[in-house]
Amino acid sequence: QSVLTQPPSVSAAPGQKVTISCSGSSSNIGNNYVSWYQHLPGTAPKVLIYDNNKRPSGIPDRFSGSKSGTSATLGITGLQTGDEADYYCGTWDSSLSAWVFGGGTKLTVL
Amino acid sequence: EVQLVESGGGLLKPGGSLRLSCAASGFTFRDAWMSWVRQAPGKGLEWLGRIKRKTDSGPTDYAAPVKGRFTISRDDSKNTLYLQMNSLKTEDTAVYYCAWYYYSYMDVWGKGTTVTVSS
Repeated sequence: QSVLTQPPSVSAAPGQKVTISCSGSSSNIGNNYVSWYQHLPGTAPKVLIYDNNKRPSGIPDRFSGSKSGTSATLGITGLQTGDEADYYCGTWDSSLSAWVFGGGTKLTVL
Repeated sequence: EVQLVESGGGLLKPGGSLRLSCAASGFTFRDAWMSWVRQAPGKGLEWLGRIKRKTDSGPTDYAAPVKGRFTISRDDSKNTLYLQMNSLKTEDTAVYYCAWYYYSYMDVWGKGTTVTVSS
């Protein structure tokens, strides 16, 4: 059972928008920055969003992040088949003194 | 180009030990905090621990499931991060990744090395 809760899967058609939620508590999301990672099996995970809503250079603005209280959300617009991957939220947990990931969400672009 | 390359994975029996390496290039390794993360088959990402740069105070942090069995270390003269794994269990079977822990997130990741623990 992950400390951060994500839906196991989401799906949408090409060109549409999807959001992925990440729910935590005051010891993690509530008081620390959230980052989001895209992972295709067999490849290196890639950071999409850091510090709640910032995009690293090279990440298209189709990807966005937000945080409110103890929850965070990743948004992806203009879905492409290449976006099919597993997505993870992550943050520091001050009570555990450990980094925590969500359980991951599998995105299917129908 | 910033790059992390893991090595040292393999097949071993329960109770065995293994040391993984992560060779870093393209950034000032001695100033970097580094992490290890793994992914077991069919499971999500699991953070294992992080090591600070030598000039920063405080201990190396570990995830509860591996604390006492795994040790993270670094050799800044070789730009290399290590993960010493002892008393290995079948549930330690996973792809192991190293990552550059940049202030509040994991910025750059390696492609991983596979560890299989099986009798």
